[in-house]
Amino acid sequence: GQNIDQPTEMTATEGAIVQINCTYQTSGFNGLFWYQQHAGEAPTFLSYNVLDGLEEKGRFSSFLSRSKGYSYLLLKELQMKDSASYLCAVKDSNYQLIWGAGTKLIIKP
Amino acid sequence: IAGITQAPTSQILAAGRRMTLRCTQDMRHNAMYWYRQDLGLGLRLIHYSNTAGTTGKGEVPDGYSVSRANTDDFPLTLASAVPSQTSVYFCASSDRSGSGTDTQYFGPGTRLTVL
Repeated sequence: GQNIDQPTEMTATEGAIVQINCTYQTSGFNGLFWYQQHAGEAPTFLSYNVLDGLEEKGRFSSFLSRSKGYSYLLLKELQMKDSASYLCAVKDSNYQLIWGAGTKLIIKP
Repeated sequence: IAGITQAPTSQILAAGRRMTLRCTQDMRHNAMYWYRQDLGLGLRLIHYSNTAGTTGKGEVPDGYSVSRANTDDFPLTLASAVPSQTSVYFCASSDRSGSGTDTQYFGPGTRLTVL
């Protein structure tokens, strides 16, 4: 079967750095996406990785290792508005997205 | 530019009733999707459409139907609602022309409660 694993919940302090991990086992791989979802709102696109390595976009970076079936999202200089759920999704061999259950990130002052 | 709109925002429905959730996009994306999101679970694909006139079944299609008469609209119909269909429903769209990343963009969601 296909599986996306990420921690259910994480807590971090305002101004700090946090790394959210995602491991996947899917039938094929055609890219990995990270989305942010605030409570009661729709998911919004953060990043896309299809090749190994690090993609940096402002305070957010995403890393991919295809051989290990592993990705992480790195959030720097955390702000209170970063409190949200972070969703990892992998595009499989049918070009459909398989979604993790999401990691709820709690930021404390 | 509105992006993707969904209607209604929320709905309470009696079991056995028929309900259509509406979704409209103005980005001229060729692909559209319907997901449901339940607490503790990832988004699950109900139905999708890669282009106007075609539809396909996702992971959890039973009890739902869709149509794609044109590029912009992708309604989801529950023929006879059951309490297990209580969920938040998201519509999404993407550009599957092959020139980009096929990133999905989401509507604001419909919160449906079936009693």
